[in-house]
Amino acid sequence: AQSVAQPEDQVNVAEGNPLTVKCTYSVSGNPYLFWYVQYPNRGLQFLLKYITGDNLVKGSYGFEAEFNKSQTSFHLKKPSALVSDSALYFCAVRDTTGGFKTIFGAGTRLFVKA
Amino acid sequence: ETGVTQTPRHLVMGMTNKKSLKCEQHLGHNAMYWYKQSAKKPLELMFVYSLEERVENNSVPSRFSPECPNSSHLFLHLHTLQPEDSALYLCASSQDDGRGIGGYTFGSGTRLTVV
Repeated sequence: AQSVAQPEDQVNVAEGNPLTVKCTYSVSGNPYLFWYVQYPNRGLQFLLKYITGDNLVKGSYGFEAEFNKSQTSFHLKKPSALVSDSALYFCAVRDTTGGFKTIFGAGTRLFVKA
Repeated sequence: ETGVTQTPRHLVMGMTNKKSLKCEQHLGHNAMYWYKQSAKKPLELMFVYSLEERVENNSVPSRFSPECPNSSHLFLHLHTLQPEDSALYLCASSQDDGRGIGGYTFGSGTRLTVV
């Protein structure tokens, strides 16, 4: 069975500092991996995805994520955080062996302090 | 707007009421989804429609009944709900066979409160 874990409920970072939001996954086949962001009173917005190819994936708003197969991780990163990055971030995984389920993590709340 | 519109934004209903949530996508996508978001819990997939055919029903109670009359519209009919059904209900769409490979576009959700 596939699963995804976001080990941190909350991440605090100062504006201008680099940020990392962690995600690990478990699938039986090759994974499709996604990051989404949710602002208050809004639905989720797609940030980036890894399907195949280069392990470093670049996405919207300056975010990037690194796929690490040996560590089964897909951490979200940004070199310099902005206050406006404060939101709820979700990692998601789909197993390529079949089925229609994309499994979402519980979410990590990011606070960026000015 | 993200291209996926959900109405109403907020809904308060009694346990004996019947109501419907509506979702409309303007993106030409061919797959649509209902997700439930409860506080401090992962998103729960409820239903998947691909080309207007239901392809996934994730063990959802029968008090939730989906309807997809065409590729642009998705409904969630609600009846005799329980207070624990209070949550944010999110609609999403994607351009694929329902597997979400292209990534989802989500609506802003309907905040449902069952009293």
